[in-house]
Amino acid sequence: SQTIHQWPATLVQPVGSPLSLECTVEGTSNPNLYWYRQAAGRGLQLLFYSVGIGQISSEVPQNLSASRPQDRQFILSSKKLLLSDSGFYLCAWRGRGFEAFFGQGTRLTVV
Amino acid sequence: AQSVAQPEDQVNVAEGNPLTVKCTYSVSGNPYLFWYVQYPNRGLQFLLKYITGDNLVKGSYGFEAEFNKSQTSFHLKKPSALVSDSALYFCAVRDGGTGFQKLVFGTGTRLLVSP
Repeated sequence: SQTIHQWPATLVQPVGSPLSLECTVEGTSNPNLYWYRQAAGRGLQLLFYSVGIGQISSEVPQNLSASRPQDRQFILSSKKLLLSDSGFYLCAWRGRGFEAFFGQGTRLTVV
Repeated sequence: AQSVAQPEDQVNVAEGNPLTVKCTYSVSGNPYLFWYVQYPNRGLQFLLKYITGDNLVKGSYGFEAEFNKSQTSFHLKKPSALVSDSALYFCAVRDGGTGFQKLVFGTGTRLLVSP
């Protein structure tokens, strides 16, 4: 069966520091991968999606970037974090039935 | 663009009573609709989906949803609520307008089940 791993679960970083969040999927090949951000425990905003290795599309302009160095690995990065980057970050992959399956999320607090 | 709306920020129900969490959709073409649940500080869990077929869709944990094309609604229901059902619920719709399949989520409805 397919599983998705996302880490770390929580992260506290100072303003101006770099960021790297990692997501890996097991049990499937060539998945569509997504990074979402959830602000204030509510709505989800799609940040990036990827249909294959090295193929990244951004939904909204921001201080973050994403990369897909391997088929089942999706990384969210920043060179210099801003206070506004705080939030709950969720990685997901899409199944054949169009539903998305989510990781457990990373709570990022920028201080 | 495809969208869904969840008109209620919060729904309160007593344990044992039926619950309904509302969702309406706006799509061009046939809608692909989904419900997810989120517990505090956790990722979203898939509950059920409507792609085609029967208008009443059954999902995980005793939840079901009714697709109503004339009312453009996809309400989530459960005959008897449990305290453990208290969580944040999201309705979502597939958006493939750009050729890439993604899910667009509603703003979420907090369900509070009281003992």
